[in-house]
Amino acid sequence: DAGVIQSPRHEVTEMGQEVTLRCKPISGHDYLFWYRQTMMRGLELLIYFNNNVPIDDSGMPEDRFSAKMPNASFSTLKIQPSEPRDSAVYFCASRVSSYNSPLHFGNGTRLTVT
Amino acid sequence: GQQVMQIPQYQHVQEGEDFTTYCNSSTTLSNIQWYKQRPGGHPVFLIQLVKSGEVKKQKRLTFQFGEAKKNSSLHITATQTTDVGTYFCQELLGAQKLVFGQGTRLTINP
Repeated sequence: DAGVIQSPRHEVTEMGQEVTLRCKPISGHDYLFWYRQTMMRGLELLIYFNNNVPIDDSGMPEDRFSAKMPNASFSTLKIQPSEPRDSAVYFCASRVSSYNSPLHFGNGTRLTVT
Repeated sequence: GQQVMQIPQYQHVQEGEDFTTYCNSSTTLSNIQWYKQRPGGHPVFLIQLVKSGEVKKQKRLTFQFGEAKKNSSLHITATQTTDVGTYFCQELLGAQKLVFGQGTRLTINP
């Protein structure tokens, strides 16, 4: 299996621009998670989906952030408009629904907003 | 919401010394998972603890779950440079909400 695939690996953009991060979970995994990692705040859970349906988006920082999962093999995290404080590494992770199954992370997208 | 507190935040040791990181919760945990993140990498699952008082070993790593299931620890015996990274505990909130502790960043002087 190819694992969780995220793109792009690096994104540099200017403040005010729209940013879209992409994720392909492991086939057969029915849970998908988006995390943001910074030195100050650690690994923060932004949102997670079950069978393509958003279950909990309480971690999404503000309305500038939105996430979708149109099908079982694709999810996006969009920031519009982006701000310098959004600079972070964004991880996507997936897992199967069986109790105790571990998270499998993608390699992350390092976002820099100037 | 509830989040496990992880200490210490940083730990620097000489190669060959032992290392321990702790996770503490004010409420009973259903289970706890541990992950390791190498510098520049992504978190990788190490182990899961479910039972009260459970102890599991992976070579030089020893994982413990407290009797009250409110705390957990990861102990590394005789650290090696390959142990460098950040170690996270993770708790399950509700049905599937997985949140991480703040992590302990381990650096090693060879």
